[in-house]
Amino acid sequence: AQTVTQSQPEMSVQEAETVTLSCTYDTSESNYYLFWYKQPPSRQMILVIRQEAYKQQNATENRFSVNFQKAAKSFSLKISDSQLGDTAMYFCAFPAGGGSQGNLIFGKGTKLSVKP
Amino acid sequence: EPEVTQTPSHQVTQMGQEVILRCVPISNHLYFYWYRQILGQKVEFLVSFYNNEISEKSEIFDDQFSVERPDGSNFTLKIRSTKLEDSAMYFCASSALGSWETQYFGPGTRLLVL
Repeated sequence: AQTVTQSQPEMSVQEAETVTLSCTYDTSESNYYLFWYKQPPSRQMILVIRQEAYKQQNATENRFSVNFQKAAKSFSLKISDSQLGDTAMYFCAFPAGGGSQGNLIFGKGTKLSVKP
Repeated sequence: EPEVTQTPSHQVTQMGQEVILRCVPISNHLYFYWYRQILGQKVEFLVSFYNNEISEKSEIFDDQFSVERPDGSNFTLKIRSTKLEDSAMYFCASSALGSWETQYFGPGTRLLVL
């Protein structure tokens, strides 16, 4: 069965510092992609970043970047220069079947608090 | 920037009543999804929909649930005879071409069954 594991239920970071959220997954697929979604207190799900497994280069979106280790099945999210608005739940997500099926499998989430 | 919209934002209903949650996906998207998130838990897939029929559904999506695309813009989730455990946040999502495409989520409908 395909699973997504986020081992850090809660984390906190000082404003302007860097924080890394971890995610591991399990799949037998060779080609797939992965997501990080952010859920602020409003509870809307906002796409943060996407990584294709066939790409060796780690995805980057402004202050957000990933460390994708395909062999280790690890997909961590690094947030640089943390801002108060980054306070949210962060979910790692993986498409069932790697991508051949559309439905996303989500981890349990990491609650990130950015402190002033 | 186009976005997925959902109405209502909040819905309170009595146990046993029927509710319809509405979604307007991004206009050129072809694949539509419903997910739910019980408070404090992770997001769970309910159903996907393409070409006017269900593509996939989870074990949660039993006969109590149905989906429909009644016109060219709306995508609805109907819950018949609601139960207390149906209280959750329900998210609609859409993607352009399906399984290999990024899913964009709506703001959610918070359903409370009393």
